[in-house]
Amino acid sequence: GQQVMQIPQYQHVQEGEDFTTYCNSSTTLSNIQWYKQRPGGHPVFLIQLVKSGEVKKQKRLTFQFGEAKKNSSLHITATQTTDVGTYFCAAAVDSNYQLIWGAGTKLIIKP
Amino acid sequence: EAGVVQSPRYKIIEKKQPVAFWCNPISGHNTLYWYRQNLGQGPELLIRYENEEAVDDSQLPKDRFSAERLKGVDSTLKIQPAELGDSAVYLCASSRTSNEQFFGPGTRLTVL
Repeated sequence: GQQVMQIPQYQHVQEGEDFTTYCNSSTTLSNIQWYKQRPGGHPVFLIQLVKSGEVKKQKRLTFQFGEAKKNSSLHITATQTTDVGTYFCAAAVDSNYQLIWGAGTKLIIKP
Repeated sequence: EAGVVQSPRYKIIEKKQPVAFWCNPISGHNTLYWYRQNLGQGPELLIRYENEEAVDDSQLPKDRFSAERLKGVDSTLKIQPAELGDSAVYLCASSRTSNEQFFGPGTRLTVL
């Protein structure tokens, strides 16, 4: 079946360093959503990207959707301990709105 | 606005026993999803409802899993009989349209 590849699986950073996670699809996406899941918690919606080349910002978080609508990224500037968790992309491949979830990138802040 | 409610939060059963999970979505949300999430992995869609209709159940193991959403509001997901490999967190989510999904806290199932 269709898959969305999300990399890396883990990223260890010092507090204050930047963090980036990427999602890639072999097929053109209708839209892509990003979710954050804190340890022991449930996924919480962050944002949805729909337009080719779209860039959206939420404070220290920057979300991008590729020109070909096949890839997306989430970048966090100057990570804080509150950013700890797993970030998932969830991609819609057609108008049926079925979401295909990436495996997630776990952000770990080094002590 | 109350969030998605799920019960129970935790369930421990022996293999071959039945188990049921319940979900109450956010009021007014027509779309309801059941996901299974294994440790270290993303959510895997089991079934999606639009009101009472199951519009996507292609990933639901129908030999042992069943679901219903009577009256288009609450939903139950049942496993009978449970197997060791069914141990996971079962998440329910709802949405007003097919956009932002709101998740419940999940039910952590342990099959011994």
